[in-house]
Amino acid sequence: DTGVSQNPRHKITKRGQNVTFRCDPISEHNRLYWYRQTLGQGPEFLTYFQNEAQLEKSRLLSDRFSAERPKGSFSTLEIQRTEQGDSAMYLCASSLTSGRHEQYFGPGTRLTVT
Amino acid sequence: AQSVTQLDSQVPVFEEAPVELRCNYSSSVSVYLFWYVQYPNQGLQLLLKYLSGSTLVESINGFEAEFNKSQTSFHLRKPSVHISDTAEYFCAVSNSGGSNYKLTFGKGTLLTVNP
Repeated sequence: DTGVSQNPRHKITKRGQNVTFRCDPISEHNRLYWYRQTLGQGPEFLTYFQNEAQLEKSRLLSDRFSAERPKGSFSTLEIQRTEQGDSAMYLCASSLTSGRHEQYFGPGTRLTVT
Repeated sequence: AQSVTQLDSQVPVFEEAPVELRCNYSSSVSVYLFWYVQYPNQGLQLLLKYLSGSTLVESINGFEAEFNKSQTSFHLRKPSVHISDTAEYFCAVSNSGGSNYKLTFGKGTLLTVNP
């Protein structure tokens, strides 16, 4: 068990560019969550997958954001036409379907939009 | 909708002193409760959780939290803190029913333990 991994760890981009982040969950975990954390705030829920199905999206997830989880394994989060307000830490977490309800978090991807 | 309020944004204490980090929540449904810890330059780690049963839950490193349903609280306590406990602590809730156990977090409490 190597834990949840996220790549890249840091991303600096210019406003208007597209960015894509990747999350590799713990191998047997079929639930995957994306959260966003800004300075001085706790993480906020963005979206949730069970296997390959995206089952819920937050209102925070504007139409510039899209997430996928092909084959129920890794997930990608893409932000199109980035804005300065998108600067944040993007966190991925995974968990089992039932039982312990523990979400295991990755180290996050810090996005800076200049 | 759910919400979590962490009443103190920063708590400075001296080493070996007791500490309490306060957490109150609001929810119209039954909840699970969690405390996560984030050490400097590290990711979020689960510290302890309340799902059901005994309202007092403990972590392996000496922290404990008590679920108080009437006061909708889940305060975190430690009788004697160490320098290494310096970190940001987040209280979180999720629905206990349904299929989406998304977490709603508080804003965090920065615990600073001074020598």
